[in-house]
Amino acid sequence: DAGVIQSPRHEVTEMGQEVTLRCKPISGHNSLFWYRQTMMRGLELLIYFNNNVPIDDSGMPEDRFSAKMPNASFSTLKIQPSEPRDSAVYFCASSLRGRAGEQFFGPGTRLTVL
Amino acid sequence: AQTVTQSQPEMSVQEAETVTLSCTYDTSESNYYLFWYKQPPSRQMILVIRQEAYKQQNATENRFSVNFQKAAKSFSLKISDSQLGDTAMYFCAFTIIQGAQKLVFGQGTRLTINP
Repeated sequence: DAGVIQSPRHEVTEMGQEVTLRCKPISGHNSLFWYRQTMMRGLELLIYFNNNVPIDDSGMPEDRFSAKMPNASFSTLKIQPSEPRDSAVYFCASSLRGRAGEQFFGPGTRLTVL
Repeated sequence: AQTVTQSQPEMSVQEAETVTLSCTYDTSESNYYLFWYKQPPSRQMILVIRQEAYKQQNATENRFSVNFQKAAKSFSLKISDSQLGDTAMYFCAFTIIQGAQKLVFGQGTRLTINP
């Protein structure tokens, strides 16, 4: 199994640009999570999908952030427009509901907004 | 709301020593899971060990074991015979069995194993 796949691994962009982060969960997993990690705030859950449906997006910081999961094997997290304070590592994780909490993480995307 | 607290921002031990990382949590739920995740410099989050709250027996995984005290809401991680490859950030995490099954993470403990 390839594990959770994220792309790109690194992204450097300028303030105001649109950023799209991509995630492919582990095949057969039915829950998907997007996290953000910063030194100041640690690991924060942004949004959570179950069976491709967004369940809880209370962690999404503001309207500039949006996430979609058009099918069971693909999800995107979009920031438009990006700001320097969005600079962070963004993780995608997937799990099989019923194995509560045992989430498998992707390698993360390091985003730098100049 | 559930919270997880790791009171040791940093720890450092010599190779082959035993080290214990502390974690406390707060919840009104009775059925939940607790985890320790490791994040080495590669930044990959790796599951180290998992404990079901309904099990009294402490989980073990090779050199890693936990001391789960449900009444005290304490969940410490013991690493025996520490190795250089154990150097990493360690995160304690919690999830309830019902509902959204979101992980709530502690702030992390940076562990350094010195040669």
